[in-house]
Amino acid sequence: KAGVTQTPRYLIKTRGQQVTLSCSPISGHRSVSWYQQTPGQGLQFLFEYFSETQRNKGNFPGRFSGRQFSNSRSEMNVSTLELGDSALYLCASSFSGDQETQYFGPGTRLLVL
Amino acid sequence: DQQVKQNSPSLSVQEGRISILNCDYTNSMFDYFLWYKKYPAEGPTFLISISSIKDKNEDGRFTVFLNKSAKHLSLHIVPSQPGDSAVYFCAASARSSNTGKLIFGQGTTLQVKP
Repeated sequence: KAGVTQTPRYLIKTRGQQVTLSCSPISGHRSVSWYQQTPGQGLQFLFEYFSETQRNKGNFPGRFSGRQFSNSRSEMNVSTLELGDSALYLCASSFSGDQETQYFGPGTRLLVL
Repeated sequence: DQQVKQNSPSLSVQEGRISILNCDYTNSMFDYFLWYKKYPAEGPTFLISISSIKDKNEDGRFTVFLNKSAKHLSLHIVPSQPGDSAVYFCAASARSSNTGKLIFGQGTTLQVKP
């Protein structure tokens, strides 16, 4: 069974631009969660989608948004990029999201210049 | 407010010995805990989990212990191998959240010396 895939793996953007990251969950998984990893803040929860609905959202500004499609694939978008948005963005999938193991993709490394 | 804490940023052990990684939490609603291993520039890899109805879970060389009264969990790796060298994160979730939201500790870097 294929694991969680994320595209692109690396991305360089400039301040003010926007970016869209993609995540394909493990086949059969309906929950997709997104996390941001930075050296100073560690791994922080961004949001979670289940059956195309956002079920929970972390403490991030509205510039961070996401969506999920009917095939459970998910995208996250960051608008008006800031230098501090440079991070490793990770998505994780599970069957239902609740009290389950989440399996992570390799991440997308975003550098904002 | 850091709800999950890993107070030791790093740990160094000799190959073949036991590695013990610790994690404390403050939210009494947490009832499911996981340990992940992470290499630089890669996603976390799941190691082992434990539900709050148990106090111990074992999988091969990895054992997780949960002390609910102390709000403390630990991961034991026996015997430690050089390939275990990585950053280890503990994570917690609350059933009441009813969502896939994990709260992570800051991580502990384990170095296993040959």
